[in-house]
Amino acid sequence: GENVEQHPSTLSVQEGDSAVIKCTYSDSASNYFPWYKQELGKRPQLIIDIRSNVGEKKDQRIAVTLNKTAKHFSLHITETQPEDSAVYFCAASIFPGNTPLVFGKGTRLSVIA
Amino acid sequence: DVKVTQSSRYLVKRTGEKVFLECVQDMDHENMFWYRQDPGLGLRLIYFSYDVKMKEKGDIPEGYSVSREKKERFSLILESASTNQTSMYLCASSSSQGVGEQYFGPGTRLTVT
Repeated sequence: GENVEQHPSTLSVQEGDSAVIKCTYSDSASNYFPWYKQELGKRPQLIIDIRSNVGEKKDQRIAVTLNKTAKHFSLHITETQPEDSAVYFCAASIFPGNTPLVFGKGTRLSVIA
Repeated sequence: DVKVTQSSRYLVKRTGEKVFLECVQDMDHENMFWYRQDPGLGLRLIYFSYDVKMKEKGDIPEGYSVSREKKERFSLILESASTNQTSMYLCASSSSQGVGEQYFGPGTRLTVT
């Protein structure tokens, strides 16, 4: 089955710097790659996702890139702010809506003011 | 606005007790999921369901069972709670017709003593 590896497990950045979180997946049939953000004490929420027919997607300060050949995808956060501090999870699935997401173990991002 | 609710935010049970965790969603989603979240281990899938009365094992089903008698409700059952089942339990739902976004409940922190 699918296996998703996520790095790093913890990341500290200065406010205003960029943060990058990387994930690799094992199943070449996977074609949907979402990212979830979980603030302390709250539920995970989708922040951005990408499908395999797209190489990059941006939404304001966050972007996701996908390299299907290498089977890895990354989350980029620019101009980080303290409210970006959270745990971020990447995930992958073959048929979004019909197969479960397989999650990475998460990255705890701390933005230091 | 999608709403996924869970019956309890905090629960304390004794070893050997039968425990029921309830999840209800109000968006007529076909798919429902149960995860447990432990530090450093991410979100691990216990069971999922694509339709009423249907269930599929996830990655860690041992010690758990589920019930889905109505489309909006998905129950997780610990037949005989053990201390290693102390964890945060998250329910999620998604539409089989959508892009695959999973909507999470607020979680139940279960402590087994």
